[in-house]
Amino acid sequence: DAKTTQPTSMDCAEGRAANLPCNHSTISGNEYVYWYRQIHSQGPQYIIHGLKNNETNEMASLIITEDRKSSTLILPHATLRDTAVYYCIVPDGGATNKLIFGTGTLLAVQP
Amino acid sequence: DTGVSQNPRHKITKRGQNVTFRCDPISEHNRLYWYRQTLGQGPEFLTYFQNEAQLEKSRLLSDRFSAERPKGSFSTLEIQRTEQGDSAMYLCASSPSGGVNTEAFFGQGTRLTVV
Repeated sequence: DAKTTQPTSMDCAEGRAANLPCNHSTISGNEYVYWYRQIHSQGPQYIIHGLKNNETNEMASLIITEDRKSSTLILPHATLRDTAVYYCIVPDGGATNKLIFGTGTLLAVQP
Repeated sequence: DTGVSQNPRHKITKRGQNVTFRCDPISEHNRLYWYRQTLGQGPEFLTYFQNEAQLEKSRLLSDRFSAERPKGSFSTLEIQRTEQGDSAMYLCASSPSGGVNTEAFFGQGTRLTVV
C-alpha cells in the first residue's frame, strides 16, 4: 500500500501558485519523498524529491515539515499545461526502490 | 539520450491471443520496472529487473505474464491468453543504480485493449 495520502482534487487559477499537500506520517528517517505528475495519456514525469531539507528546481519547490510527516509541492506560477494528476510517493526501499503510487491529486488549472 | 521508449503505443487484441510489448530503457540504466495502470488508478508495480536479473515480481503478475530482459538492455512483457481484465496501460520505467536517491524515468506506455 501507498505510504502517503493526498486530496483527491484541487483547483488553481492560472498564474497563481499551486500548493499540493501530502501526508506521510509513517515515513522513516532515511526515506525520501518523491513527486511525479501524469498528464492525461502520458507516462508519469519526475518532478522533484527530498529527504529533509526544502528543495527547488526549475519545475517546482518541495517543502518538507521538520517532523517529515508531511510535505507540500509548490508550482509557483501554474499554467494550463500543469493540469495533471500529481503523485506524492515514498518509494519502497530495499533493493528495488520501486514506486508505490496512490491515486494522487488531480490538479485542474483554470483559465 | 532519447528517454524510455515503448512499443507499440497501442494494441488491440482479441481475447485469448498472446501479446508482447517492448521497452527500451535509457542506456546504462541498470534498473527497469514494469507497471500496469487501469482507468482512474495510479500505476501498480508488476516486476523489477536489475540488469538482466528479474529480482521481484508482484502477485499481480499471474502465470500468464512473463517478462524478460536479455543482456540487461531492452525488456519484453508477454501476456498469454489475454483476458478482458488485462486491458490497461502498461508502463515501463528505468533508473540508474545508486540507492534510494535516484529518480525513475517512464516511457509513454502501451495501451492494451482486449476485445
